Amino acid sequence: DAKTTQPTSMDCAEGRAANLPCNHSTISGNEYVYWYRQIHSQGPQYIIHGLKNNETNEMASLIITEDRKSSTLILPHATLRDTAVYYCIVSGNAGNMLTFGGGTRLMVKP
Amino acid sequence: NAGVTQTPKFQVLKTGQSMTLQCAQDMNHEYMSWYRQDPGMGLRLIHYSVGAGITDQGEVPNGYNVSRSTTEDFPLRLLSAAPSQTSVYFCASSRALSRGKAYYGYTFGSGTRLTVV
Repeated sequence: DAKTTQPTSMDCAEGRAANLPCNHSTISGNEYVYWYRQIHSQGPQYIIHGLKNNETNEMASLIITEDRKSSTLILPHATLRDTAVYYCIVSGNAGNMLTFGGGTRLMVKP
Repeated sequence: NAGVTQTPKFQVLKTGQSMTLQCAQDMNHEYMSWYRQDPGMGLRLIHYSVGAGITDQGEVPNGYNVSRSTTEDFPLRLLSAAPSQTSVYFCASSRALSRGKAYYGYTFGSGTRLTVV
């Protein structure tokens, strides 16, 4: 599976959009991009995934560049409860094996 | 639905003891995985399974065994506990990602906090 690179930490003001970048320059054609987050010591929570097209659900939007070498997770109106570690994962194999990297620690501030 | 249930929530073992961490899911998911998370670190994959009777190793399988005799259960066995296995263990399950079908990612359990002294 392709490796990902994410900033170690980011801050965001409450109510503003949080844009979390992820580089995955070695991604191959059949690999998906997945985003999870982990709040404090809880188990990770699935957010969104995509292959080529941009995706949106009730939690977030995922923007994937045309060459698929990078992506951005967007939380449109960040709240204090969005403070968490966000993991960008690239994986094929229909999602059966996910390798978590270091992630980005997002701090939403009042 | 109970989701993914892990037992016990907390456990203290002495070095050399063995034990089994239980994981059960009631969502009829094909995929199940075990991760460990050391303090301040990310999750590392121990073992995973794509269906009953099929298991495979992840990044850090040494010292652990798994089996998947049913779709619902995926127990993790520590053969001879060592202090280096002190960690939080998460079990997770998911349906297979398939075009045209709704996908909700892996559902994680609440974790088992294991201390080996």
